[in-house]
This record gives sequence, C-alpha cells and structure tokens, in this order.
Amino acid sequence: AQSVTQLGSHVSVSEGALVLLRCNYSSSVPPYLFWYVQYPNQGLQLLLKYTSAATLVKGINGFEAEFKKSETSFHLTKPSAHMSDAAEYFCAVSVVGSGNTGKLIFGQGTTLQVKP
Amino acid sequence: ETGVTQSPTHLIKTRGQQVTLRCSSQSGHNTVSWYQQALGQGPQFIFQYYREEENGRGNFPPRFSGLQFPNYSSELNVNALELDDSALYLCASSPLLNNEQFFGPGTRLTVL
Repeated sequence: AQSVTQLGSHVSVSEGALVLLRCNYSSSVPPYLFWYVQYPNQGLQLLLKYTSAATLVKGINGFEAEFKKSETSFHLTKPSAHMSDAAEYFCAVSVVGSGNTGKLIFGQGTTLQVKP
Repeated sequence: ETGVTQSPTHLIKTRGQQVTLRCSSQSGHNTVSWYQQALGQGPQFIFQYYREEENGRGNFPPRFSGLQFPNYSSELNVNALELDDSALYLCASSPLLNNEQFFGPGTRLTVL
C-alpha cells in the first residue's frame, strides 16, 4: 500500500528565507509524486510532479523538489520565500501500472506561513 | 480552455438528507475523480469514473455513489447524510488514466 507522510503540519519562514517542506512516501512499486498548493477556499493547483524522469524536478513559482529513492523522500524547496507563498501544501503519490486508476494519496498537508 | 468547474459552491443540508454535487471536466478529459477533504486534512479518494464506468473506489460506504455522463461531466451523490460528511468535495479531471489531475474549486458541504 502507498502512503505519504508530511513532516511538520506548520512551517514558518521569513520573507526571503529558504522554504523546505518535507515529504516521505511509501510505495512498493515505482511511484509518481506530486506537490500541490491550496490557497484558502480554493481547489488544488499542481506545483510540480515526478514521473521517473529527472530526479530534480522544477515547478511553477520557483519551487523545485528532488526525488531520493534511497531516502524515500520528495522534499519541496524554494530559495527565497514570498508573502504570496503562504498557503497549504500537499504531497501526493500515485501508483504507476496498467489498469491503475492513478488515484492520488495525499499527505496531511503543511501550512506555510511567511512572515514579513 | 475552460477548467474544471463544480456546483454548487456551498451547500447546507441536515442529517439524513441526500445531496448531489456536480462537476464539469476540462475539455478533452475523459476521466473524473472525486475526493473528500475534511477540515485540516488532506483530500481522500472517493472514486473515479472513466468512460462512464466506475474505475476504482476508495474506502467510502455505498451511500456515496456517482455517475459520469457522455460529455464526461460527473455527479457525486451522497444519501443519508451524516455530520461527518461535512467537508470540501473536490473533483479532478484528467485526459487519461495515470495522468496529471486538474482540480476544480470544490463544493463546501455542511451537514447540520
């Protein structure tokens, strides 16, 4: 069975500081991995995805994530936080395979607060 | 290109009632998935429809049911509502199975 663990339900950084949101996954087969962002009262927007190509994935808004199979991790980073980055972030895993629905299994989410 | 749309935006029901939520998939997308997001939690997979057939279901009771129409739009029906059904219900569409899912803004359901 697949699962996702996001370490830290709440992360606070200063504007301009490095953002690091942690995600560890469990999967017995090659996974697809995703990071989504959710602003208040809105749906989910895809930031980036890993689909077994390059292990360093670049996404929108300056975010990137690195797939580390040995550590079963897919942490999200951004060199310099902006106030507009304040939101809820979700890591998700989907299983590759014929006949699979591609359903997403989400972590519990991490709230990013950016202080001026 | 129109994205995924959902209606209504908000809904208030009482215990025991039935509710229908609607989703229009993005143009060209034939797969629709539904997720339930309780307050402070990550979304949980309810079920998926592919070419008008249910194609996978999460750990939800049978009172959660759905439909997909020939134009690939979809409905989520919940019977005998319970207080714990209060949540944000998200619809996501994708052009193929195992592909990137595009989410709608959600329907906020409150059960009193």
